[in-house]
Formats: sequence, C-alpha cells, structure tokens
Amino acid sequence: DGGITQSPKYLFRKEGQNVTLSCEQNLNHDAMYWYRQDPGQGLRLIYYSQIVNDFQKGDIAEGYSVSREKKESFPLTVTSAQKNPTAFYLCASSISTGSSGNTIYFGEGSWLTVV
Amino acid sequence: AQKVTQAQTEISVVEKEDVTLDCVYETRDTTYYLFWYKQPPSGELVFLIRRNSFDEQNEISGRYSWNFQKSTSSFNFTITASQVVDSAVYFCALSEGGNAGNMLTFGGGTRLMVKP
Repeated sequence: DGGITQSPKYLFRKEGQNVTLSCEQNLNHDAMYWYRQDPGQGLRLIYYSQIVNDFQKGDIAEGYSVSREKKESFPLTVTSAQKNPTAFYLCASSISTGSSGNTIYFGEGSWLTVV
Repeated sequence: AQKVTQAQTEISVVEKEDVTLDCVYETRDTTYYLFWYKQPPSGELVFLIRRNSFDEQNEISGRYSWNFQKSTSSFNFTITASQVVDSAVYFCALSEGGNAGNMLTFGGGTRLMVKP
C-alpha cells in the first residue's frame, strides 16, 4: 500500500526521556513535515524538509529534533527540553518542486503522553 | 502574515440536514492556495480539496461543495444531506504563493456531529 506510515501509534514517555517518532513514506515525495496537534486545536508546524540532508524549523521547533538521511524517512525526536510534549503528532509529505500549492498528505498520527 | 479562522468550533445537525462550515482567511499574497481536510476519530487528516487563488469557480463533488469568494476572503464548505459518517473535525488551511516548503497555516477546526 502506498502512503505514509507513522509508528508507534501510542507512546508514553517518562519525564526527562527522549523519544523518537518514526515516519516513512513510499510516495516518492521530496518534502516531509511534522505537525503537532493539541486537543481541540489546529495543527502547528514543527519541522519540514525539502530534500535529503536538509531541514528547516517551523513555528514550534524548540525541544524537537529531526533528521533526513533518506528520502523516505523523517524521524522526529521529542527531547527532554520539550516542556509540554503530550500531544498528537502528524507526519506529512508532498511533491516539492520549490513552489507552494502542492497537496500535503498526512499519516495516521502518533499519540505521545508524558507519564 | 497569513491567518485562517474557523469561527464555528462545533456544529451539531441531524442526519440529512445540509450544513455549511465557514472559513475566512487573511493573506497579503495574490497567489495562494486553500485546502480542506477531514479528520475522523482515527486521527488521520484526509485531503478533500485544493483551490488556487486564481480559480474562483465553485466546485461540487458528490454531497460536498465549496464556495470560494475572494471578495470576502472566504472558502466555505457545504455538505448536503449529511450522514453520520460525516462526523469529524474539518480543517481549512492556507498556503501562500511565495512560501517555500508548502507550509500550511491551519484554522482551529470545526467539529461536526451528525446525529441519526
């Protein structure tokens, strides 16, 4: 099946721990994104990547880190510096030719809870 | 700066009623793109439609229709003869034309509850 796969679906983190959320796509998309969604709210951009080995901060990058070593993979690490990490995290991708307007497609999301 | 406002946080209708979800946007760009996504309880965002700023033609897809009016900066979404399966959170989003990275600005979402 073609699409965007996120894992795990549910994740619990202890205070002071780093956790990594996986995102893999087989759509051959150049661009990938991570969004955060808090209950009852819209989505906010954490990081995005236009090409392999390059990524840019979004609106709320503090306390997060990413890597883009392969075109199909864009893992997100939620570090202990993120003070309020409990949220729903959505990975997305799009064909990128350097212009905007390309449709962004989303994965099924990962729920992160701090315990 | 770009902004998207969905003033209706929750709407509740009875099955078979028509319902319109409002979306108002702000942008200084003359070239921009508007989107609607559906988020069912499972969490995944499902793409519904994309519209560019130069195409004001309204669109109909089955029970769904979209009304784009640049004069009022609105991109409203109507579901005709609503069904229980339409229950979800719906997001309107905006991408500006000069925006490298296809970054979307989302509205706060409208939760639609369709009761049988």
